Amino acid sequence: DTEVTQTPKHLVMGMTNKKSLKCEQHMGHRAMYWYKQKAKKPPELMFVYSYEKLSINESVPSRFSPECPNSSLLNLHLHALQPEDSALYLCASRLSGAYNEQFFGPGTRLTVL
Amino acid sequence: DAKTTQPPSMDCAEGRAANLPCNHSTISGNEYVYWYRQIHSQGPQYIIHGLKNNETNEMASLIITEDRKSSTLILPHATLRDTAVYYCIVRAYQAGTALIFGKGTTLSVSS
Repeated sequence: DTEVTQTPKHLVMGMTNKKSLKCEQHMGHRAMYWYKQKAKKPPELMFVYSYEKLSINESVPSRFSPECPNSSLLNLHLHALQPEDSALYLCASRLSGAYNEQFFGPGTRLTVL
Repeated sequence: DAKTTQPPSMDCAEGRAANLPCNHSTISGNEYVYWYRQIHSQGPQYIIHGLKNNETNEMASLIITEDRKSSTLILPHATLRDTAVYYCIVRAYQAGTALIFGKGTTLSVSS
């Protein structure tokens, strides 16, 4: 299994909803990442988990709450989002070791109404 | 801030080689050069990476100048499916670091 999967593919939510994005990999990667990508912009790093511990938070608003329950799974909990949070949310993972490449999932397209 | 500079767009005829340049004049000795591409609305796809030697794989070749201040990604025989945004990224040789994307080059391959 050499892929990163993300569910759901598309998500529409209201500003008062609570939802979660899920990311899964079974490659034994111990570093996992969340990125946000607005239309016609490059991906922006949000969070980095290393060995299931949060190691980098790029000053992301608290309405985004990441969670890494185990080495294969990464969640992004969403609450009280704004319309400007509509974007493609990308998950990635990487084998520990300094020069290994990151593998990206296909992303979740989020629309906040 | 991104540490690389790439032209915003390039065109290439199908079947010809596509040569995508990247400047990374402030690269440190412990930083690798990575190339990724992103086809419309998909997740970025790894292409190749290198430290100081030229590298080749089934997708592309990476030529890094001797002073490491610039590099070129070569797609030897471009096809329509190679139309994408190509990102050149430098990343430190350290566990826990992440890819930081710049604006990339939009490559358009036409028949």
